[in-house]
Amino acid sequence: NAGVMQNPRHLVRRRGQEARLRCSPMKGHSHVYWYRQLPEEGLKFMVYLQKENIIDESGMPKERFSAEFPKEGPSILRIQQVVRGDSAAYFCASSPEGRPDTQYFGPGTRLTVL
Amino acid sequence: GENVEQHPSTLSVQEGDSAVIKCTYSDSASNYFPWYKQELGRGPQLIIDIRSNVGEKKDQRIAVTLNKTAKHFSLHITETQPEDSAVYFCAARTSGTYKYIFGTGTRLKVLA
Repeated sequence: NAGVMQNPRHLVRRRGQEARLRCSPMKGHSHVYWYRQLPEEGLKFMVYLQKENIIDESGMPKERFSAEFPKEGPSILRIQQVVRGDSAAYFCASSPEGRPDTQYFGPGTRLTVL
Repeated sequence: GENVEQHPSTLSVQEGDSAVIKCTYSDSASNYFPWYKQELGRGPQLIIDIRSNVGEKKDQRIAVTLNKTAKHFSLHITETQPEDSAVYFCAARTSGTYKYIFGTGTRLKVLA
């Protein structure tokens, strides 16, 4: 049973470009969460999604960031017009229906903005 | 807003000794407290968790204690081994939400 998968593992973008981060939850999981980790810091909640629905986006920056979890395919975290401050590790977690306590994390995508 | 403080930020112990990491949370409605281990280049892995209706939980060499009155919870690792070296994060989740609030992490180094 494959765990949470994220790709790419490493992503380099120049300022002003777009970054698209993908997350495939564990099989049977319908809830996805995105977190951001700055160097030497803990993880910060960004957004919680279920299939085709954004449940809680209270941690998402108001501009340039968006997330989706379509009926088919992976969840996507999209960052438009990236800036150097967006450089961080972005982690996705998933949980099964009715079990929000049990979040399993993916390996993360490390975004570097030049 | 909700906040979780974690101490110490770094911890070095001799192999075989015990390690203790402490966290304090601010939201008295928090009711679930997981601990994660993060190794270099990997995502956080759940190692143990505790709910607010329990004071202590143990799993082999790892234990977690919770003091609801003081809003403290701690991770205890006994008989440490070099493979325990990693960054450990505590987290708290408030009842009715799905959002984890993470501590800032403790870098544990077990010296052989």
